[in-house]
Amino acid sequence: KQEVTQIPAALSVPEGENLVLNCSFTDSAIYNLQWFRQDPGKGLTSLLLIQSSQREQTSGRLNASLDKSSGRSTLYIAASQPGDSATYLCAVILIRRGDMRFGAGTRLTVKP
Amino acid sequence: ETGVTQSPTHLIKTRGQQVTLRCSSQSGHNTVSWYQQALGQGPQFIFQYYREEENGRGNFPPRFSGLQFPNYSSELNVNALELDDSALYLCASSEGQPVEAFFGQGTRLTVV
Repeated sequence: KQEVTQIPAALSVPEGENLVLNCSFTDSAIYNLQWFRQDPGKGLTSLLLIQSSQREQTSGRLNASLDKSSGRSTLYIAASQPGDSATYLCAVILIRRGDMRFGAGTRLTVKP
Repeated sequence: ETGVTQSPTHLIKTRGQQVTLRCSSQSGHNTVSWYQQALGQGPQFIFQYYREEENGRGNFPPRFSGLQFPNYSSELNVNALELDDSALYLCASSEGQPVEAFFGQGTRLTVV
């Protein structure tokens, strides 16, 4: 059974810091991994999609990496801003099923 | 190009009642998935529809049912509502599988 774990569960940093969010999964038979942002009570906004054949993806201040063999992904946020405050979720798409399995998320607070 | 839209945004129902939630997929997307997100947790997969056929189901009882229409919009029906059904219900659409999924803003269901 695929388990997705995100560490830490919550993180508070001062504005301007670089930070790393971690995601681990137990089954490496995945199609791809997707990072999302969720503001309180809202839907999910797609940030980055990494296909299983890729090692990383970049968008602006965000960089996501994927290591299938070790079952790990990281989301790196450079020069954090108060507007980055949200919950960040990672999800894997399983080869055998096609649905997405989510972690519980990391709640990020960036203080001005 | 319009995004994924869900209706209604909020809903309050009484235990034992039935509810229908609606989702309009993004233009050109033929796959719709539904997820349930309890407070403080990651979304849990309910089921997926591809070209009007159910294409996978998570660990939810039969009182959770769905439908996809020829225009690829979708409905989620829940019968005999229970208090534990209170959650944010998210719809995601994609152009087939496994590709990047895009989520709507969600429907907040409260069962009293």
